Amino acid sequence: AQSVSQHNHHVILSEAASLELGCNYSYGGTVNLFWYVQYPGQHLQLLLKYFSGDPLVKGIKGFEAEFIKSKFSFNLRKPSVQWSDTAEYFCAVSPNTGGFKTIFGAGTRLFVKA
Amino acid sequence: DTGVSQNPRHKITKRGQNVTFRCDPISEHNRLYWYRQTLGQGPEFLTYFQNEAQLEKSRLLSDRFSAERPKGSFSTLEIQRTEQGDSAMYLCASSSRTGDYEQYFGPGTRLTVT
Repeated sequence: AQSVSQHNHHVILSEAASLELGCNYSYGGTVNLFWYVQYPGQHLQLLLKYFSGDPLVKGIKGFEAEFIKSKFSFNLRKPSVQWSDTAEYFCAVSPNTGGFKTIFGAGTRLFVKA
Repeated sequence: DTGVSQNPRHKITKRGQNVTFRCDPISEHNRLYWYRQTLGQGPEFLTYFQNEAQLEKSRLLSDRFSAERPKGSFSTLEIQRTEQGDSAMYLCASSSRTGDYEQYFGPGTRLTVT
């Protein structure tokens, strides 16, 4: 069965620290990849997405993610976090089979200390 | 605000009762999704509509669950004979017909079954 694994459930960082959140998926075919973010009290919203082309994608608020096909990974990075990045981050995968089923990971709660 | 709206935002019901939730997607979006999210987990895909056609349905969706999108606009999710295990946040999302797979999420309906 298709699945998405996020390596860390909780991460605590100080402001200006670098961030890397791991995401691995299990699916042998072509996929579309996403990172969604949920800020406290807000809806889930898209942070960035990968469909094809350059495996390094840039999203909003200085986030980027790298797709490594051989490792089935799509890790999220930010060189310097801010207190406002405190949120829950979800990695998601949609198999590119013509359907639109999206599978989410369990999420990583990030807390950034001011 | 022209985002995805969901009603009600909260529902408390007794076991065995039926409940119905409504989702109004962004007006020009032809794709609509329902997810269920429990504490500490990411959203779990339930079902997907393209216009009024229900194209995918998760095995998680037992016979007690039914979803409709009669005119290709709003959608309803009904749970019959609710069980305590149905307590969760029910999320609705929509996406456009342009091939952009970004899903726009609503605020969710939190269901508590007592």
